[in-house]
Amino acid sequence: DVKVTQSSRYLVKRTGEKVFLECVQDMDHENMFWYRQDPGLGLRLIYFSYDVKMKEKGDIPEGYSVSREKKERFSLILESASTNQTSMYLCASTQTGDNYGYTFGSGTRLTVV
Amino acid sequence: GQNIDQPTEMTATEGAIVQINCTYQTSGFNGLFWYQQHAGEAPTFLSYNVLDGLEEKGRFSSFLSRSKGYSYLLLKELQMKDSASYLCAVRGDTDSWGKLQFGAGTQVVVTP
Repeated sequence: DVKVTQSSRYLVKRTGEKVFLECVQDMDHENMFWYRQDPGLGLRLIYFSYDVKMKEKGDIPEGYSVSREKKERFSLILESASTNQTSMYLCASTQTGDNYGYTFGSGTRLTVV
Repeated sequence: GQNIDQPTEMTATEGAIVQINCTYQTSGFNGLFWYQQHAGEAPTFLSYNVLDGLEEKGRFSSFLSRSKGYSYLLLKELQMKDSASYLCAVRGDTDSWGKLQFGAGTQVVVTP
């Protein structure tokens, strides 16, 4: 069964901490994405990557950075966590040319206190 | 800018039919997706439309009109397990393969 695995299901961090959210996929997909999901706002794209070491900003990149050193792994970094970054974070991947859309990870619910 | 609109919530009884509408205004169009998301879980793929018309898949059907910027998801013979949020998503242009813009989701509540 193909999978996108996010390293943590729940995280609680303090304001100002540096936070790493990890995502690994086993489908050899080129494309990987980080979204956050908030009630009433839906999924909003933070960053995405089309290949190793490549990254592009999504709609809300401020306060975040990403790293893709290997094809299967896409990391989201909160440089200095703030309370307004409390959210559900979803990682997704897809193969170029695939019309089945994304395969999502199960999500990381991050609370910043 | 880009805009994808869908109703916030819909309620229907078990065995009934519900139609969830989605209207979109995007810079370019290269496909529309519907996802189902149960509470606390990841979204899962339901359907994909890129040409006008109806795509049927069991109890679920999805329709697209590109000229009207409009799609709907039709859920027939509703079951309690269909209670979930349904997300409409648009792929805008071909040079950003895979990048999807999502609506806020429609919460469907199925009652006995």
